Amino acid sequence: RKEVEQDPGPFNVPEGATVAFNCTYSNSASQSFFWYRQDCRKEPKLLMSVYSSGNEDGRFTAQLNRASQYISLLIRDSKLSDSATYLCVVYNNNDMRFGAGTRLTVKP
Amino acid sequence: GAVVSQHPSWVICKSGTSVKIECRSLDFQATTMFWYRQFPKQSLMLMATSNEGSKATYEQGVEKDKFLINHASLTLSTLTVTSAHPEDSSFYICSAPPPDSSGNTIYFGEGSWLTVV
Repeated sequence: RKEVEQDPGPFNVPEGATVAFNCTYSNSASQSFFWYRQDCRKEPKLLMSVYSSGNEDGRFTAQLNRASQYISLLIRDSKLSDSATYLCVVYNNNDMRFGAGTRLTVKP
Repeated sequence: GAVVSQHPSWVICKSGTSVKIECRSLDFQATTMFWYRQFPKQSLMLMATSNEGSKATYEQGVEKDKFLINHASLTLSTLTVTSAHPEDSSFYICSAPPPDSSGNTIYFGEGSWLTVV
């Protein structure tokens, strides 16, 4: 079993749609969780951290369920500029593991 | 601005030659740096963890004699792809945790595209 498993996608949605990504992790001792965004041929950039209580940043909402060992990312009112690959990242004691990434394409 | 700088961004080399990629932390010291490889349409795969003053720790399946890592100082780690082959063509990227080890984020270099012809 992979350490971090993620919806493979791709997701193709119209502008304004709501889209959700899920990710599961195998190491119950994992400490920190993130969603990163990676544009084509670029380095990943932090989108948001994920907290147990859930957190929101504008149109983006992240949630963590430690009991079930999954995290999610919800994007509301999607924009063309949201098109990218979204990486689920699990961090534990200086060890960072990535999900395979989910490709999102938002179309006009 | 970038807090981790990686160089070169693009490199093309001939089969059999060696290529060095540098990763520098700017304005902070990094005792640990991570090296990843990403093939097209795949995720980042951890290759090795670079430790200042000691040997790098390689992930299973990564040839340490082929991918030489040197963490020469607290701000510089280098990855040398030796005797490169076309199958080594990939996107190589480094990262460093923040000095407070809070785990709140990881800083990435800009990445290096290697093409072996």
